[in-house]
Amino acid sequence: EPEVTQTPSHQVTQMGQEVILRCVPISNHLYFYWYRQILGQKVEFLVSFYNNEISEKSEIFDDQFSVERPDGSNFTLKIRSTKLEDSAMYFCASSLTSGGANQETQYFGPGTRLLVL
Amino acid sequence: EDKVVQSPLSLVVHEGDTVTLNCSYEVTNFRSLLWYKQEKKAPTFLFMLTSSGIEKKSGRLSSILDKKELFSILNITATQTGDSAVYLCAVEGVSSGTASKLTFGTGTRLQVTL
Repeated sequence: EPEVTQTPSHQVTQMGQEVILRCVPISNHLYFYWYRQILGQKVEFLVSFYNNEISEKSEIFDDQFSVERPDGSNFTLKIRSTKLEDSAMYFCASSLTSGGANQETQYFGPGTRLLVL
Repeated sequence: EDKVVQSPLSLVVHEGDTVTLNCSYEVTNFRSLLWYKQEKKAPTFLFMLTSSGIEKKSGRLSSILDKKELFSILNITATQTGDSAVYLCAVEGVSSGTASKLTFGTGTRLQVTL
């Protein structure tokens, strides 16, 4: 069964450093998403991406964050200058359609646990 | 702002018991309500509900949506220790753009004991 994959599974970085989290969505999917989950808190939407541009972003997704689909398979989240409060599990998700009545849900990857020291 | 509230926050039951998990929501431009199971890492998809009053069923799990009262329930019958997990409710809505986004509740942590 096709699945979303993410690398690395864990990343430790120093405050102020740049990190790039990588995702390979399910191959025929067209919509891509990043979510994060701070330890003990709820899963929060960061950004959605369709047709090579951001479709929607949350307040969390400020200028320090960017997303890119550099080739036909990868989808990346870059944090330019990490802060302590960026420590969280970051989930990538993908869907075939934009959801709703089309009955196509978002499928989540296993996550990257980011720790900023 | 979209909002999802789940109750109870946590629950401990004995194997074989039946549990009901609750989810109420407020969302702009509702598209669907989803239930996920989160054990250690990624949420895994259980159900997507778009229409009121139609029960979705998968084995011992079932779920129903009430769009008028803005809530959903997830039932698990004959619980097993493998059902122990955090159950997440999420609503899918669209406020702008073409892709929807999911707004999650805090989850219900279910522990099934022997």
